[in-house]
Amino acid sequence: KAGVTQTPRYLIKTRGQQVTLSCSPISGHRSVSWYQQTPGQGLQFLFEYFSETQRNKGNFPGRFSGRQFSNSRSEMNVSTLELGDSALYLCASSLRLAYTDTQYFGPGTRLTVL
Amino acid sequence: SQQGEEDPQALSIQEGENATMNCSYKTSINNLQWYRQNSGRGLVHLILIRSNEREKHSGRLRVTLDTSKKSSSLLITASRAADTASYFCACHPNSGNTPLVFGKGTRLSVIA
Repeated sequence: KAGVTQTPRYLIKTRGQQVTLSCSPISGHRSVSWYQQTPGQGLQFLFEYFSETQRNKGNFPGRFSGRQFSNSRSEMNVSTLELGDSALYLCASSLRLAYTDTQYFGPGTRLTVL
Repeated sequence: SQQGEEDPQALSIQEGENATMNCSYKTSINNLQWYRQNSGRGLVHLILIRSNEREKHSGRLRVTLDTSKKSSSLLITASRAADTASYFCACHPNSGNTPLVFGKGTRLSVIA
């Protein structure tokens, strides 16, 4: 079974731009969660989608948004990029809601904001 | 704030030795999980231990959980150079649909 895939793997943007990251979960998994990882803050939860509905949201500004499609693929969008948004963005999928189940992570998208 | 706090932050051992990493957390949990991350890549799930369990094994890994002390430990026996990675504990707070909360990790270096 194919694992979680994320595209693109690397991205360079400039301040003020917006970016869209994509995540394809393991086949059959209905939950997709997104995390931001930085050296200073570690891994921080962004949001979780389950059956196309946002089920949980972390403490991030409204510039961070996401959605999930009927095939469980998910996208996250960051608008008006800031230097501090440079990070590794990880998505994880699980069969059921993440708090009840093991999460499987993708390789991440490395975003650099210049 | 971080739910799980790993200790030590970094650990360097010789191949063949055992490595022990500790995790402390603050509130009651539903389960605690350990993950490994190789050099800025995705996380690999290692083991999940539920709040009513005290010990679990998986290959060379042994995880213990002490809910009275709000702590967990991950033991890697007979370490190999390939075990070099960052190890994270992650807690599911025992309050319904709340997200997994990660610690900042222990950086393990296994020297051949």
